[in-house]
Amino acid sequence: QSVLTQPPSASGTPGQRVTISCSGSSSNIGSNTVNWYQQLPGTAPKLLIYSNNQRPSGVPDRFSGSKSGTSASLAISGLQSEDEADYYCAAWDDSLRVFGTGTKVTVL
Amino acid sequence: QLQLQESGPGLVKPSETLSLTCTVSGGSISSSSYYWGWIRQPPGKGLEWIGSIYYSGSTYYNPSLKSRVTISVDTSKNQFSLKLSSVTAADTAVYYCVSSSGWYAPERYWGQGTLVTVSS
Repeated sequence: QSVLTQPPSASGTPGQRVTISCSGSSSNIGSNTVNWYQQLPGTAPKLLIYSNNQRPSGVPDRFSGSKSGTSASLAISGLQSEDEADYYCAAWDDSLRVFGTGTKVTVL
Repeated sequence: QLQLQESGPGLVKPSETLSLTCTVSGGSISSSSYYWGWIRQPPGKGLEWIGSIYYSGSTYYNPSLKSRVTISVDTSKNQFSLKLSSVTAADTAVYYCVSSSGWYAPERYWGQGTLVTVSS
């Protein structure tokens, strides 16, 4: 039931910059803030970015978020091996919480 | 720092009711500061929001599941629960209990998740 579209995969070598897109519509991303979650293998998702571009305490500043219109992006600068995980965007769509399709980031 | 822990049967038969409980520590479930909710993830797939509840008892459900879902709070045990009726194999998933600091706030706290398999 994902209504936010993400690329299924992204990859990069250590130190590179990787960007993940999240495409929605006027009723979700266009009207509300976007959050990003990181899910390491076998673990629960962890809040990575909230309110489009804010990092919770403890999240490295090489993770950054942005939003424009009905799309959002997550950038990972200086990619590290421990960043290999699934990443999900999320937003509210009226009273429904919607998530992205997820992007698997591989560190080559 | 809130901590959430799911508990419940790992195997449920088709057509029966799935029941899970989330025990909250590090904070009061009666606090007006939090919303409590459930999110699930079928094996190898993405995240699906099931619904949320506020300490007052107000509930909000995913329309696609609304007819089968009940989320409730037990303040005496500092727990909240999920009931999903008439389950099918499509309900097989890891179920996470979550908490946020407001209705439109992100899910900041997550339980470790519990796998529920629907099978006879």
